[in-house]
Amino acid sequence: EAAVTQSPRNKVAVTGGKVTLSCNQTNNHNNMYWYRQDTGHGLRLIHYSYGAGSTEKGDIPDGYKASRPSQENFSLILELATPSQTSVYFCASGRDIQDTQYFGPGTRLLVL
Amino acid sequence: AQSVTQPDARVTVSEGASLQLRCKYSYSGTPYLFWYVQYPRQGLQLLLKYYSGDPVVQGVNGFEAEFIKSNSSFHLRKASVHWSDSAVYFCAVSNVGDNSKLIWGLGTSLVVNP
Repeated sequence: EAAVTQSPRNKVAVTGGKVTLSCNQTNNHNNMYWYRQDTGHGLRLIHYSYGAGSTEKGDIPDGYKASRPSQENFSLILELATPSQTSVYFCASGRDIQDTQYFGPGTRLLVL
Repeated sequence: AQSVTQPDARVTVSEGASLQLRCKYSYSGTPYLFWYVQYPRQGLQLLLKYYSGDPVVQGVNGFEAEFIKSNSSFHLRKASVHWSDSAVYFCAVSNVGDNSKLIWGLGTSLVVNP
């Protein structure tokens, strides 16, 4: 069974603070993705990666950075968190874009 | 512009009733088509996917979907729903040969009344 884990599961941050969301997958998938989910917007792609050392901008990259130091790990970094970044964040992995994406359980981020 | 439309934000049905959740897409080329389900406070899980072959594809838990190219549709169906099917259902599309992002619909929230 494909496994994607995220940490932390819940996070409260202050405006202007730095937040790092972590994702780990044990599927040996090349592709990894970061999405945010908000009511009325569905899933929106923030950043994705084709493999270790690569990051690509998704549809809404502003205010976010990503890091893929290894095949297994993909981080999302909010250097200066803002209340508009309050959301639920999902990480996913997949062999390629046509393949099934396996999602983590999500991280609920509240920026005060 | 490429898009996926799920016209029903919320659908309510009674347990045992049949179900159809609608999905229409606008996409150039030959798409892969997906349906995912999200149970409360969980990540998304694949229900089924289609690329070629029989236009009716079977998925998990008795779900199926039919690809109708002439209508650019990929509606999800189930003959008899159970209360545990209450969840949010997402339709998504990708483009074969173009390693680009998935395009997601906004989701349909299904409520099954016991």
